[in-house]
Order: sequence, then C-alpha cells, then structure tokens
Amino acid sequence: QEQLVESGGGVVQSGKSLRLSCAASGFAFNNYGLHWVRQAPGKGLEWVAGIFYDGSYKYYLGSVKGRFTISKDSSRNTMFLEMKNLRVEDTALYYCARDVGPRVATANWDFGLWGQGTQVTVSS
Amino acid sequence: QSTLKQPPSLSAAPGQKVTISCSGSSSNIGNNYVSWYQQLPTAAPKLLIYDNNKRPSGIPDRFSGSTSGTSATLAITGLQTGDEADYYCVTWDSSPGAVVFGGGTKLTVL
Repeated sequence: QEQLVESGGGVVQSGKSLRLSCAASGFAFNNYGLHWVRQAPGKGLEWVAGIFYDGSYKYYLGSVKGRFTISKDSSRNTMFLEMKNLRVEDTALYYCARDVGPRVATANWDFGLWGQGTQVTVSS
Repeated sequence: QSTLKQPPSLSAAPGQKVTISCSGSSSNIGNNYVSWYQQLPTAAPKLLIYDNNKRPSGIPDRFSGSTSGTSATLAITGLQTGDEADYYCVTWDSSPGAVVFGGGTKLTVL
C-alpha cells in the first residue's frame, strides 16, 4: 500500500546539522509533490518546505530559508531535508507528506498521505 | 501567533453539529482555497477537506467546508466520540509566500 516512512531524527546541539529522509513506496514517486511539516511538542502544525513532483521548484518557510534544503532522489524513491545551523526552536516531530493528486505544478497544501514522523530535538 | 485564527477549543454533545471557524485576510483565505485536516491524538494529520469544500475519498459527508470572503468554516454534523481531535485550516499566504496553518482547534465531544 502507499506509504511514507521518515528517518534520521535525533538529538543534536544547537548549530549542528541533521539530514532527514522520507522513503516512499506503493505509488509513482515521480508523479507527486512532497513536503515536510513539523509539530513542536504540544503545539500546532507548521509547514516547513515543499518540492514539485518534477523537482523543478522548491519552497520554504521563511524561518528555515538558507538553513534547510529539500531534495528528492527518484532512483531511491526518497525525499530528504538537509538541516543546517539548527536552533532550539526547530525541535519538533517532522512529518513528510505527499500531494493528494499527481503532477501538481503549483504551490500546494493538500496532503493526502502522511508518514508517522521523526523526532528532532535541538539542545542548547 | 498563527496568521489564520481558529478558536483554541470547542465542545459539543454527540449527535450535534459544530462549526469551526478560520479567519484570515486577503493575502491568504481571500485569494486562495482552504483545506482542513483532522489530527486524532498521537496520530498523523488526515486531509478532510480540500479546494474549500471537496472531500477526499473515504471522508464521510458529515464533514463539509465553506468559505466567505476572508473566512473559512468546517462543519461537522452528527458528532461522534471518534471525532474528538484537533482540527487545522491551511492555505497559501502570498505575504510571505508560504503555506500557513491555523493554530488548531481542539474539539471535545462530551
């Protein structure tokens, strides 16, 4: 069945880097836009970054621009989030999510498939 | 502080109808469609409504969405205890140019 599985979370010190992965299965990876959405402990959802289905465009939350990079590797059916210069306020459960429909070539916020999340904790 | 304003909490009895509001501005709801998500305790979010009022396959018609000007509303009829969850509205905000979520509404079904 269609599935997204995140990995790569952990505990890191402020200023350090971490790379999250999101492995996709059960659907045509190249046909769907993908996103990262995070949720700080006890808080609401916050969209972090998105990438078009063909990788042609990437867009980011303002507070992570220049520090986070979203990418995808079609040969491995995997999306990544490279996070640099991490801050305490980046502490959250990071979900990967997929567009509800295929081949959407505009900014999108209809996420029809979600993973279970990977925890990132940034200590001071 | 979220750009999209939702009531932090609501409660209603089983069988009743509840509406959850989401208030924005011309830079977001006023010019972009709204989606709604349900997040059950300890679970990942689930898409309930997209394109203001469309339901993905498998979402019962007890859930409906609407918009008017710079506000959006999620209505849930025939409340069930299993509807106890956090509900979030979401859309695009052209300033600053990002996807924005509302702060979320915790629904309690008494």
